[in-house]
Amino acid sequence: GQQVMQIPQYQHVQEGEDFTTYCNSSTTLSNIQWYKQRPGGHPVFLIQLVKSGEVKKQKRLTFQFGEAKKNSSLHITATQTTDVGTYFCAGRSSGGSNYKLTFGKGTLLTVNP
Amino acid sequence: GAVVSQHPSRVICKSGTSVKIECRSLDFQATTMFWYRQFPKQSLMLMATSNEGSKATYEQGVEKDKFLINHASLTLSTLTVTSAHPEDSSFYICSARPRLAGMPDTQYFGPGTRLTVL
Repeated sequence: GQQVMQIPQYQHVQEGEDFTTYCNSSTTLSNIQWYKQRPGGHPVFLIQLVKSGEVKKQKRLTFQFGEAKKNSSLHITATQTTDVGTYFCAGRSSGGSNYKLTFGKGTLLTVNP
Repeated sequence: GAVVSQHPSRVICKSGTSVKIECRSLDFQATTMFWYRQFPKQSLMLMATSNEGSKATYEQGVEKDKFLINHASLTLSTLTVTSAHPEDSSFYICSARPRLAGMPDTQYFGPGTRLTVL
């Protein structure tokens, strides 16, 4: 079945440093979505990428979808303590009517003030 | 918009009892609802997919007789953990996929239910 690998598992940074998490799927995706889960909270939808090579920005967050639609990345510029949490990518397989999302294991980001 | 609620938020029960968790989409109708399980510091594992008015589709390894799902309407799905045991203790999260065109084709998550079985 489809697998979504996400690295790194953990990342600790000093406030102001940049952060990147990477996602790689074993199969071509129709879209990839990113979620943020704060400690003790539930996943919150951040963004969806659909097009090959797509790049989207949300303030300090930059999301990329690979040309082959099998990998994606989330980059945070100048991290702040409010960025703390686990970032999950979730891929939806292309083809068929399968709306299931396969989640990566997530990257836990901690920020030292 | 796109709010999903879950009830209860926390439940503690004795081993052998059944627990029902409700998932509601408050301001939209959901074509499909999903039930996930999340262990501490781990990712979300999809348990089952439910469509209104039809039987749920369970993921491999998930016992359908133990985790009963009822999708009663376009805004309500319930998960019943039957004869709960300590190993069923976990964080159960539902999500709902909007039915309306124009909304992102994504899933909106409920706040989760933390189940502790003694």
